[in-house]
Amino acid sequence: KNEVEQSPQNLTAQEGEFITINCSYSVGISALHWLQQHPGGGIVSLFMLSSGKKKHGRLIATINIQEKHSSLHITASHPRDSAVYICAAGGNQFYFGTGTSLTVIP
Amino acid sequence: DAGVIQSPRHEVTEMGQEVTLRCKPISGHNSLFWYRQTMMRGLELLIYFNNNVPIDDSGMPEDRFSAKMPNASFSTLKIQPSEPRDSAVYFCASSFRGWTSGEQYFGPGTRLTVT
Repeated sequence: KNEVEQSPQNLTAQEGEFITINCSYSVGISALHWLQQHPGGGIVSLFMLSSGKKKHGRLIATINIQEKHSSLHITASHPRDSAVYICAAGGNQFYFGTGTSLTVIP
Repeated sequence: DAGVIQSPRHEVTEMGQEVTLRCKPISGHNSLFWYRQTMMRGLELLIYFNNNVPIDDSGMPEDRFSAKMPNASFSTLKIQPSEPRDSAVYFCASSFRGWTSGEQYFGPGTRLTVT
């Protein structure tokens, strides 16, 4: 069993749709990161969460420490959001999800 | 700031050779992270430094791997001897302080191929 589970693994959406990517973890952590990896391979850190909710533009990330669950939401999705989204949970040790591949179709 | 700088961007080497990857973090950042990404294992954290001191190296796969941070503006990841299974993209990232301080800034990565 993986310590971090992401769902879905693959997601295709029409432009403008609201998107949710989920991340569940089974270990105690101090913080969770959401990363975005573009087709060219570069990685961008979107959010670091230790509690509550954060928002950057069309992106919203939430974390529920008690339920050991985090979600990444994209509102009004756009083709440029097409990427792999990875959650990374850490504290004493560090665990990574296998990624969610998102394709947004115009 | 130029962002996190990694060199080389691509490295092709033969099995048994020594490989050194280099990273310059963003000025003012106190934490530096080395990651490895492969198709089979995904993204893994190898080691991270706070204030040039290694804090967690539990992800370093074996003694063939070593990392140093002699000063706040430079770090190296060395593999000796290299093996084909070390082929991967190695990313360096930096942040203001540790895993919980905020977002990390990633370098472009070094694609290592060991033949």
